[in-house]
Amino acid sequence: KAGVTQTPRYLIKTRGQQVTLSCSPISGHRSVSWYQQTPGQGLQFLFEYFSETQRNKGNFPGRFSGRQFSNSRSEMNVSTLELGDSALYLCASSSGGGRGTEAFFGQGTRLTVV
Amino acid sequence: GENVEQHPSTLSVQEGDSAVIKCTYSDSASNYFPWYKQELGKGPQLIIDIRSNVGEKKDQRIAVTLNKTAKHFSLHITETQPEDSAVYFCAAPGGTYKYIFGTGTRLKVLA
Repeated sequence: KAGVTQTPRYLIKTRGQQVTLSCSPISGHRSVSWYQQTPGQGLQFLFEYFSETQRNKGNFPGRFSGRQFSNSRSEMNVSTLELGDSALYLCASSSGGGRGTEAFFGQGTRLTVV
Repeated sequence: GENVEQHPSTLSVQEGDSAVIKCTYSDSASNYFPWYKQELGKGPQLIIDIRSNVGEKKDQRIAVTLNKTAKHFSLHITETQPEDSAVYFCAAPGGTYKYIFGTGTRLKVLA
């Protein structure tokens, strides 16, 4: 059974640009969550999608957005990039996403903003 | 909201010794507590979890204990090996559809 696939693995972008990251969950999983990981803030929740609907959103500015497709694949977009957006972006896949549901992470996308 | 505190931030042990990492949570409604291991350049890997209806769970050299009254749970690794060196994160449900993670423990197993 394939795991969670995130693409690309690495990205280098310039301030002001925008970026789109992709996540394919484990087959059969319908919940996809996104987290930002930085040395200073640790793992911070961005948003969660289930059946193409955003069910929860973290405390990030509107520059961070996401969506989920009918095949459960998800994308997140960051517009007007800032240096502080440099981070490892992680996607987690789970069957339902509710309390007590196991979540499995992908390898992450390392975004560097210069 | 939910808060998860994790200690220690770094832990060095001799190979073969045991390692213990502790976490506390604030939401009494939390019912599921996973532990993740993150190696350099990789995403967090779920290594063990425990639900609120049990007090302890073991899987070979790793175990997790839960004290609901005190709202804390711990990861125990016995007979540590160099490949156990990594950053370990605890987590607890932070409301609906998300997890709150501890700040991580960098474990170094010295050969």
